[in-house]
Amino acid sequence: AQTVTQSQPEMSVQEAETVTLSCTYDTSESDYYLFWYKQPPSRQMILVIRQEAYKQQNATENRFSVNFQKAAKSFSLKISDSQLGDAAMYFCAYRYLDPEYGNKLVFGAGTILRVKS
Amino acid sequence: EPEVTQTPSHQVTQMGQEVILRCVPISNHLYFYWYRQILGQKVEFLVSFYNNEISEKSEIFDDQFSVERPDGSNFTLKIRSTKLEDSAMYFCASRHDSVSEAFFGQGTRLTVV
Repeated sequence: AQTVTQSQPEMSVQEAETVTLSCTYDTSESDYYLFWYKQPPSRQMILVIRQEAYKQQNATENRFSVNFQKAAKSFSLKISDSQLGDAAMYFCAYRYLDPEYGNKLVFGAGTILRVKS
Repeated sequence: EPEVTQTPSHQVTQMGQEVILRCVPISNHLYFYWYRQILGQKVEFLVSFYNNEISEKSEIFDDQFSVERPDGSNFTLKIRSTKLEDSAMYFCASRHDSVSEAFFGQGTRLTVV
C-alpha cells in the first residue's frame, strides 16, 4: 500500500523568507502523481502544485516550487517570499495513475505552517 | 470558475440518525470522491465513484455508508445510523478524467451528538 509521510508537524517562517516542507512516500509503482494541498483555517482544500512522476523537471507555480527526487521518493515544497496568507496546513498527497481504478489520493498527516510578521 | 459545491456546510445530528451529505460536482467531471478528515487528523479516502458505480472504497466505508448519484448532477453520501466517531469534515471531490487534478468542495462539518 502506498504511504505518505510528512515528518514536520509544524514549521515557522518569517515573512518574506523561504521555507521548505518535507514529504516522503512509499510506492512500488512507476507512474503516479504527487501533490501539495493547502488547507487554510476555512478548511477548504486548495491545490498548490502537482508533479507527474515521469517528468524530471521540478514543477513551479509562482512562489511555490518542488524538489522531486524519484529515486529517494522525496517530494519537498519550497515557498519563497513567504506571505501571511501562506499560513495554513499543508498536505502532501500521492495518486496512483491507473484509469481502471478510482485513482484516490493518499494524504500525509500534514504540516502546519506559521508565518511571522 | 466552476467549483464543487457541498451542502450543508455544517450538520448537527443525534447519534443513530441518518444523514445525507450533498455535493454538486463540476458538470463535465466523471470521477467523484468522498474523503473525511477527523479534526486534527489526516484526510482519509472513503469512496470513489465512476460510471455510476463504486470503483473503490476504503475499510472505513462499511455498510453504514452509501453513495448515490440520483439525477446526474448531485452526488450524495448517506450515513444510515451515525456514531459519535463519524464526527468529521467530509469533503467531496471530482475530476474530469483519469489524469486531471481533483477539485474539492468546501466541506461539510458533521457533528454527531
